[in-house]
Amino acid sequence: GEDVEQSLFLSVREGDSSVINCTYTDSSSTYLYWYKQEPGAGLQLLTYIFSNMDMKQDQRLTVLLNKKDKHLSLRIADTQTGDSAIYFCAEITRASGGYNKLIFGAGTRLAVHP
Amino acid sequence: DAGVIQSPRHEVTEMGQEVTLRCKPISGHNSLFWYRQTMMRGLELLIYFNNNVPIDDSGMPEDRFSAKMPNASFSTLKIQPSEPRDSAVYFCASSLARGGRTEAFFGQGTRLTVV
Repeated sequence: GEDVEQSLFLSVREGDSSVINCTYTDSSSTYLYWYKQEPGAGLQLLTYIFSNMDMKQDQRLTVLLNKKDKHLSLRIADTQTGDSAIYFCAEITRASGGYNKLIFGAGTRLAVHP
Repeated sequence: DAGVIQSPRHEVTEMGQEVTLRCKPISGHNSLFWYRQTMMRGLELLIYFNNNVPIDDSGMPEDRFSAKMPNASFSTLKIQPSEPRDSAVYFCASSLARGGRTEAFFGQGTRLTVV
């Protein structure tokens, strides 16, 4: 079945690292994504990783992929108050007719405190 | 491009009324998604169009929900009759699939309240 799971909440101190974890189900998923949702806004793509990679770094963001365990994580270094948001993990899975569709987790609400 | 445009941003309606949510995808995108976001269920995919054709509507909760995409620049999600449990934020997203990559761009959402 299609299911992407994430923990619902994470609280960190400003300046510390945040690690948000996700498990997915579709082993054939070619890309995995992290989206960010700020209050009152839609989701915006933060970063993505191709399934043949196990790590991707983009400034303060590090994505780790463990395909064997179907586990994806997002690490935010030097977390700032502006990083407070909901973070969604998403996998690509096959829809009817061979098309791709994006399935999202429930989102992890990151709270950054001084 | 202005991005994905949804209207209205907020809708308050009485139970039993018909509600129509609108979406204008990004020009040139060939896929359109409708999602619903609630605290209890997170972000649920309701229906997905490719080249204006509904591909997967398995997430549409009931017959009260229907979606159309009459052309590449417009889609609607209709709820008739609406119920209080339909209260949620409804997002439209569009994408252009490239080599297996499907990066979705989201609208600002429509916050629906059914009283």
